[in-house]
Amino acid sequence: GAGVSQSPRYKVAKRGQDVALRCDPISGHVSLFWYQQALGQGPEFLTYFQNEAQLDKSGLPSDRFFAERPEGSVSTLKIQRTQQEDSAVYLCASSPKSGTGVAKNIQYFGAGTRLSVL
Amino acid sequence: GNSVTQMEGPVTLSEEAFLTINCTYTATGYPSLFWYVQYPGEGLQLLLKATKADDKGSNKGFEATYRKETTSFHLEKGSVQVSDSAVYFCALSTGRFGKGTRLSVIA
Repeated sequence: GAGVSQSPRYKVAKRGQDVALRCDPISGHVSLFWYQQALGQGPEFLTYFQNEAQLDKSGLPSDRFFAERPEGSVSTLKIQRTQQEDSAVYLCASSPKSGTGVAKNIQYFGAGTRLSVL
Repeated sequence: GNSVTQMEGPVTLSEEAFLTINCTYTATGYPSLFWYVQYPGEGLQLLLKATKADDKGSNKGFEATYRKETTSFHLEKGSVQVSDSAVYFCALSTGRFGKGTRLSVIA
């Protein structure tokens, strides 16, 4: 596709419910990032994939958060037993190059999924 | 670890005023540095980048220079316009972002 696509755009969940958020990166992009952005804050890094390998998951806030990218393309962020503090916009970004320290590693962002946990 | 600190807003300026938004970072290795912008109702988009020390990134009249000696990447624009009103984020290529600075430009 032309850009990074995320679905759903909006998700309302009851506390304790499991949710799955999808990210379709730009075709051929090697790197994929997930971020959590609370209202009025900057994006907080959650996890990073290089192709299908999850190379950095240091930002995942708890073991209720799980991300996968099994074929090195589409990625899913799953949140189990959602809590109110999980309410945020979840951003996905992809980049054509591998490695987080490589020069010119521009990230292209999706529009995000706004999750509201009631 | 890697982190970014940028000046807190909001910043309110009159049209044609000079803008500086400070950004400093801590990082291992030599990351690339970026400024992203988020216009009202839109997603994050790249504004400019610099890939090594002393590089100057520029776009739409904005500039920032990668200063390794001061670990800084301050954003500047000589004459802001109302259309520059947005939230600006400084970021490392490792995926670490600053908290954002909201800029409002009034006519």
